[in-house]
Amino acid sequence: KAGVTQTPRYLIKTRGQQVTLSCSPISGHRSVSWYQQTPGQGLQFLFEYFSETQRNKGNFPGRFSGRQFSNSRSEMNVSTLELGDSALYLCASSFDGGYTFGSGTRLTVV
Amino acid sequence: SQKIEQNSEALNIQEGKTATLTCNYTNYSPAYLQWYRQDPGRGPVFLLLIRENEKEKRKERLKVTFDTTLKQSLFHITASQPADSATYLCALPMNSGGYQKVTFGTGTKLQVIP
Repeated sequence: KAGVTQTPRYLIKTRGQQVTLSCSPISGHRSVSWYQQTPGQGLQFLFEYFSETQRNKGNFPGRFSGRQFSNSRSEMNVSTLELGDSALYLCASSFDGGYTFGSGTRLTVV
Repeated sequence: SQKIEQNSEALNIQEGKTATLTCNYTNYSPAYLQWYRQDPGRGPVFLLLIRENEKEKRKERLKVTFDTTLKQSLFHITASQPADSATYLCALPMNSGGYQKVTFGTGTKLQVIP
């Protein structure tokens, strides 16, 4: 059974640009959660989607948005990038009892 | 406010010894608690879940305890090996707007010395 797939694996963007990250959960999993990980803050919850609906949202500015498609694939978008958005972005597909994480997208904003 | 605390200092132990990591939480009574392992540059990997009515859970060389009175979970790795070197994260479901969001501690870095 394939795991959680995140693309791209690495990304370099310039301040002010926007970026879209993609996540394909494990087949049959309808819930996808997104996290931002930085050395100083650890894993910070961004949002959770379930059956195309945002079910929960963390404390991030409106520049961070996401969506989920009918096949459960999810995207997150960050507009007007700032240097502080440089981080590892992880998505997770939930199963009964835990999360399966993707390998993440390493975003560097220069 | 609800908080999760893990020892931010790295834990160095000798190969073959038992490593014990601590996860404390405040102002909350979670129904369960999870432990994950994370290697550099990779996503966390789920290890164990323990529910509030379980005192202890084991999986191979791993053992987790859950003390709801102390609001603490201990994570043990027995007969530790250099391959166990990684950052270990605890995670709790926290209520948010009618749903639960899984919130992670900052993790403890374990280094097993050969």
